[in-house]
Amino acid sequence: KAGVTQTPRYLIKTRGQQVTLSCSPISGHRSVSWYQQTPGQGLQFLFEYFSETQRNKGNFPGRFSGRQFSNSRSEMNVSTLELGDSALYLCASSLGGGDTQYFGPGTRLTVL
Amino acid sequence: ELKVEQNPLFLSMQEGKNYTIYCNYSTTSDRLYWYRQDPGKSLESLFVLLSNGAVKQEGRLMASLDTKARLSTLHITAAVHDLSATYFCAVDMGELYSGAGSYQLTFGKGTKLSVIP
Repeated sequence: KAGVTQTPRYLIKTRGQQVTLSCSPISGHRSVSWYQQTPGQGLQFLFEYFSETQRNKGNFPGRFSGRQFSNSRSEMNVSTLELGDSALYLCASSLGGGDTQYFGPGTRLTVL
Repeated sequence: ELKVEQNPLFLSMQEGKNYTIYCNYSTTSDRLYWYRQDPGKSLESLFVLLSNGAVKQEGRLMASLDTKARLSTLHITAAVHDLSATYFCAVDMGELYSGAGSYQLTFGKGTKLSVIP
């Protein structure tokens, strides 16, 4: 079956702009999580959605937000971009209940 | 705050040798995952460990979980070059924070493994 897909794969923005990233989970998966990966901070949890509800949220400022649609597709938004937001943003989907999370290829965001 | 520590962070080993990567964590949890990441790629799931004493094996890799010691190990047997990658452990506190079935993974910094022919 098809894996997790993320769009766009690469993005270049300037400081102060906002950006929306999209994630389509594996068919049947209702849990979608977002992670930020940077060389300095490593992999950090942003938030998890299940059935359109945010269940968990990591320690990120309010500029980072997300949502999930009824078809389980998810978007995350970053407003007022800062240079430090440059990172690989990974989306992962799961059936839940301890099942592994399957990661998408990521969106590489560069903020200039 | 949950801390997840992996060691070593860098590991260079010869083909055919055995080695173990350690993952220590600071808060009680019985849900731990191991992932592999190749350069420029996303994360690939290796193992899911969901109870104390869990042991999983796949090919030359074997993972175990000791929840009482808050320790998981990833053992590499007779390493081959194809195993060169970065390996991450991740502890899941989602159930503790938000109930059954939810996720909130905290990752270790990763172990960069280089297997030299």
